[in-house]
Amino acid sequence: GAVVSQHPSRVICKSGTSVKIECRSLDFQATTMFWYRQFPKQSLMLMATSNEGSKATYEQGVEKDKFLINHASLTLSTLTVTSAHPEDSSFYICSARGPRNQETQYFGPGTRLLVL
Amino acid sequence: QKEVEQDPGPLSVPEGAIVSLNCTYSNSAFQYFMWYRQYSRKGPELLMYTYSSGNKEDGRFTAQVDKSSKYISLFIRDSQPSDSATYLCAMKTDSWGKLQFGAGTQVVVTP
Repeated sequence: GAVVSQHPSRVICKSGTSVKIECRSLDFQATTMFWYRQFPKQSLMLMATSNEGSKATYEQGVEKDKFLINHASLTLSTLTVTSAHPEDSSFYICSARGPRNQETQYFGPGTRLLVL
Repeated sequence: QKEVEQDPGPLSVPEGAIVSLNCTYSNSAFQYFMWYRQYSRKGPELLMYTYSSGNKEDGRFTAQVDKSSKYISLFIRDSQPSDSATYLCAMKTDSWGKLQFGAGTQVVVTP
């Protein structure tokens, strides 16, 4: 149980375009999901906390107009990188609070974004 | 000073040895502690979860929390090459379940 999926797993796009990444909890409902960014050989950097039916809470320094987060249902949160630039290239990972143990988070497999 | 300190390694051990990992933290309010394993280019996988002080064992893995010293450990017995990964400690920081991660320790188990 507690499986989280992400789609796509890998995306290459041109500079200036927008990219949407989906995060789904497959076998449980997730009222809270999180979006992280990870650079090579570095730890996870929390970007925002996404709560179903309400606006996301962004971490300091994360541009909310650039990284649009929507959590429209209890099983789906989306991250849209708007007007992507090469510096947005990174590994984006989502997670969901555990169904039985809400102190833990279960992570998706990640999405590798490359902006040319 | 970072809230959570973790040696990034790499830590190289021979197959069959015990892997010893640890993190220190500064916020005495932390109550929930986790260890995640992350393979290259994959999402982290929850390995162990511990509440407050004490030990917890699951198969080859043992997690220890010493709140008085603000120190947590993960031990992996009979290590295998498949244990080669980055291990991240994490602590719950608020009521929304936000986690504070350590830098991650890269472990290499050589055959």
